[in-house]
Amino acid sequence: GNSVTQMEGPVTLSEEAFLTINCTYTATGYPSLFWYVQYPGEGLQLLLKATKADDKGSNKGFEATYRKETTSFHLEKGSVQVSDSAVYFCALLNNQGGKLIFGQGTELSVKP
Amino acid sequence: NAGVTQTPKFRILKIGQSMTLQCTQDMNHNYMYWYRQDPGMGLKLIYYSVGAGITDKGEVPNGYNVSRSTTEDFPLRLELAAPSQTSVYFCASGRRGIETQYFGPGTRLLVL
Repeated sequence: GNSVTQMEGPVTLSEEAFLTINCTYTATGYPSLFWYVQYPGEGLQLLLKATKADDKGSNKGFEATYRKETTSFHLEKGSVQVSDSAVYFCALLNNQGGKLIFGQGTELSVKP
Repeated sequence: NAGVTQTPKFRILKIGQSMTLQCTQDMNHNYMYWYRQDPGMGLKLIYYSVGAGITDKGEVPNGYNVSRSTTEDFPLRLELAAPSQTSVYFCASGRRGIETQYFGPGTRLLVL
């Protein structure tokens, strides 16, 4: 079946450090891929998405490229800020009823 | 435009009690979803609906019921609360099944 695997957290970085959060997936067909972010005490917000192979999603300095050959969608940011501290979820959307399959989430803590 | 709203924000239930978690969206979305989020885990789909009058089970439906009498509302019913239902519940909506889902702020439920 479809599944998403993320690197385990928590990830602790200093401000302005480079961020990578790994995400790999297993899916039949050609799913869409998403990164959602959950700030403390809030619901999930869409951060970025990619709908086909080699697409790059980007938003707020974050980027992720849909790599079909490695079944990956790693999240990157060149210089993190304290305000980026949150839990990040990788997810895939199959084309059967629009069901999102989530990874377990990766907590990011950025220290000043 | 309020987006997706959920009530209550927090509730404590005793084992065996029942309650309804409310979810309303004002974006005229056809698709609506209920997820639960357990600590350190990703979100699991409980039930979803592709339109008024149509509902279907997700990955973890046992112990829950839903109804969809209008496009806007998608309440989740717990009939006999159990400690295993202690979780954070998120409602989400989307225009179509293959498009971005928008999440509510969540309801934190504690069953003692």
